[in-house]
Amino acid sequence: NAGVMQNPRHLVRRRGQEARLRCSPMKGHSHVYWYRQLPEEGLKFMVYLQKENIIDESGMPKERFSAEFPKEGPSILRIQQVVRGDSAAYFCASSPQDDSTGELFFGEGSRLTVL
Amino acid sequence: QKEVEQNSGPLSVPEGAIASLNCTYSDRGSQSFFWYRQYSGKSPELIMFIYSNGDKEDGRFTAQLNKASQYVSLLIRDSQPSDSATYLCAFNTGKLIFGQGTTLQVKP
Repeated sequence: NAGVMQNPRHLVRRRGQEARLRCSPMKGHSHVYWYRQLPEEGLKFMVYLQKENIIDESGMPKERFSAEFPKEGPSILRIQQVVRGDSAAYFCASSPQDDSTGELFFGEGSRLTVL
Repeated sequence: QKEVEQNSGPLSVPEGAIASLNCTYSDRGSQSFFWYRQYSGKSPELIMFIYSNGDKEDGRFTAQLNKASQYVSLLIRDSQPSDSATYLCAFNTGKLIFGQGTTLQVKP
């Protein structure tokens, strides 16, 4: 029973390039969350998605960042025109539709380095 | 005011001692609270969640919740070097809001 799968695990981009991070939730989970973690800091909420819907994007920067969770395929977090400040670990988490506990299951993260 | 406040530490305890980690939160409407452990370079993993005022015990771990004081804590008994990690508290508002984490060091 695979857990939350994220790829790539490590990504290096030059300033101005685009970064695409992918997340496949656990089997049976329909809710996906993206968090960003800067070095030596906690997890900062970015966006909460269900299939084909963005439920809460209150943590997403207004520019350059977008997220989707299509009917088929993984969720994707897209960062356009990356800057050095985007260097961080990006964690995806999922939960089942009928879960009332609020527990999240995390992937191993994608570590973005912007040169 | 930060939504979740934790002392970043590091908190250093000798092996076998009790480690006490504390967290305060700002949202009085929160109903569920979580403690996650994160080893360096790894993803967070759930240790415990708690809904009701009082204590909840699981092995060497005890979570304590006081909703009136908006305070949640985690006690780790018989601390082991393998407990050395960052401990993140979080509360649920439809999404989990995390504190910055407390780094625990258990010294042999």
